[in-house]
Amino acid sequence: KAGVTQTPRYLIKTRGQQVTLSCSPISGHRSVSWYQQTPGQGLQFLFEYFSETQRNKGNFPGRFSGRQFSNSRSEMNVSTLELGDSALYLCASSTAQGFSTDTQYFGPGTRLTVL
Amino acid sequence: AQRVTQPEKLLSVFKGAPVELKCNYSYSGSPELFWYVQYSRQRLQLLLRHISRESIKGFTADLNKGETSFHLKKPFAQEEDSAMYYCAAYNYGQNFVFGPGTRLSVLP
Repeated sequence: KAGVTQTPRYLIKTRGQQVTLSCSPISGHRSVSWYQQTPGQGLQFLFEYFSETQRNKGNFPGRFSGRQFSNSRSEMNVSTLELGDSALYLCASSTAQGFSTDTQYFGPGTRLTVL
Repeated sequence: AQRVTQPEKLLSVFKGAPVELKCNYSYSGSPELFWYVQYSRQRLQLLLRHISRESIKGFTADLNKGETSFHLKKPFAQEEDSAMYYCAAYNYGQNFVFGPGTRLSVLP
């Protein structure tokens, strides 16, 4: 099976712009979760989608949003970009909702740089 | 607020020596606990979950509810164990929180 893919792999934006990142889960997986990784804050959970509905949410402002399509592909949107949004954004997929019952498989990440 | 701490940023051990990566959590209720690993130039991956009581690559983790700890252990470290290790906790309806990570370096 193909692994989790994320596009684009690298992205440069300027402050105030918005950005959309995409995540394609492993075939058959219905849960997609998103994470932000920075040197200062480490790994932080953004949100999880399962069957097109947001099921869990981390402590991020409303500028961070996401959605999931009927084919389980997911997008994450960040509006009004700030310098502090520069990070590696990871997504992961699994078959089940939540984190306890099934193994998550991570993508390679999208490196976002905000200038 | 939920919190996961890993007191060591870097841990160096010699090959064949025992290794223990410490993790403490502050969470309401009884969270699920996890260890994730990221090898150099590889993707983040789940190493083990408390709920599965499994042993992966020789690693085990013991939950101590009294001390709110979930330390990761391996009796004999191998050079290929060198990686970044993250402890994480989750409880339904609450945030999924990662610790800051510990870089394990196994010396030959």
